[in-house]
Amino acid sequence: AQKITQTQPGMFVQEKEAVTLDCTYDTSDPSYGLFWYKQPSSGEMIFLIYQGSYDQQNATEGRYSLNFQKARKSANLVISASQLGDSAMYFCAMRALNYQLIWGAGTKLIIKP
Amino acid sequence: ETGVTQTPRHLVMGMTNKKSLKCEQHLGHNAMYWYKQSAKKPLELMFVYSLEERVENNSVPSRFSPECPNSSHLFLHLHTLQPEDSALYLCASSQVYGGDRGWSNEKLFFGSGTQLSVL
Repeated sequence: AQKITQTQPGMFVQEKEAVTLDCTYDTSDPSYGLFWYKQPSSGEMIFLIYQGSYDQQNATEGRYSLNFQKARKSANLVISASQLGDSAMYFCAMRALNYQLIWGAGTKLIIKP
Repeated sequence: ETGVTQTPRHLVMGMTNKKSLKCEQHLGHNAMYWYKQSAKKPLELMFVYSLEERVENNSVPSRFSPECPNSSHLFLHLHTLQPEDSALYLCASSQVYGGDRGWSNEKLFFGSGTQLSVL
């Protein structure tokens, strides 16, 4: 069965520090995609970064990078130099068949000034 | 003008009411989605309209009824809801490329959601 696991329900991080949000996945499909989304208190889901299963290099988007370890089935999100505006819920998701995205339960990140 | 617009932002309704949620996308996408987000649960896909095909999650009760008159507009009609239907309802859109697996690597663009409370 396909599954996404986010083991950190909540995290507190000091402003300007780097933070790693964990995500592990389970799938038997050789071709898949992994996404990270951010959901601030306003409710909107905001796309952050995408990693394809065949991509040779780890994805990066500005301060966001994805630490993709295929053998361990992990796709951790790394935020460098955290900012107060990074406080939000963060969701890891995996592309599945039939338009489905398999979602994790999310991690609530709070950046302390 | 934001990419995906949802109205209303908040809705309180009784169990005997009929209401509709509206979603509009201005991104030229060919697929639109309804998701349900309940507290402490993963997002649940309810319905997808893509490439003139409708895909639905069989676990969604019939008191939720989607309508997609064109590729830019999506509605979710609600009737005789239950208190457990209280949740954040998110609309999303994406660009989907044809194929028999409904496969797309394109990211989803979400609206801000409708926070629904059923009394």
